[in-house]
Amino acid sequence: GESVGLHLPTLSVQEGDNSIINCAYSNSASDYFIWYKQESGKGPQFIIDIRSNMDKRQGQRVTVLLNKTVKHLSLQIAATQPGDSAVYFCAENIANTGNQFYFGTGTSLTVIP
Amino acid sequence: DAGVTQSPTHLIKTRGQHVTLRCSPISGHKSVSWYQQVLGQGPQFIFQYYEKEERGRGNFPDRFSARQFPNYSSELNVNALLLGDSALYLCASSLLASGYTFGSGTRLTVV
Repeated sequence: GESVGLHLPTLSVQEGDNSIINCAYSNSASDYFIWYKQESGKGPQFIIDIRSNMDKRQGQRVTVLLNKTVKHLSLQIAATQPGDSAVYFCAENIANTGNQFYFGTGTSLTVIP
Repeated sequence: DAGVTQSPTHLIKTRGQHVTLRCSPISGHKSVSWYQQVLGQGPQFIFQYYEKEERGRGNFPDRFSARQFPNYSSELNVNALLLGDSALYLCASSLLASGYTFGSGTRLTVV
């Protein structure tokens, strides 16, 4: 199977600080990536996506950076809030495999008030 | 608009039994995918269906099967349940070539 890994399984940040969650992927044919947020008892919630022809994409308080050279993806959350506490997953889609995504193990983000 | 709906939300089954999980996609979404999420891990791809045809299958045994109906809803069937099948089963729908929207899942416990 594919390897989508996260550098840190847990992350604690102070409320108001910025958070950075990292993800490594192994398949150079991956061309589409999504970050998901999953709260306890719920399904994953789409946060932001990026295609391989981009290296940066911004949303509301979130930014995704893609470094294809080292096969690395990061999610930056600005001014982290208690409601951001959740498990964050990166998911990769390999070109020409349809809508099959490979998920990493996840990073648990805890925001300290 | 209703999101992706899954039923039931929770289910307890005995080893060896069979289970059917159901999913209704977002209106207009023709692609449905199923994922298994074991506690503490990321979701693992099981199946994808588009326009009632199987478009992808993950590394799961033949005990797992699925189908999609003309209204694009879908069922996931698991036969001869094992304790290791206990997991959160997630359904996601999408317009082809774009990100998924997941349902809240069905929590299956096999005892």
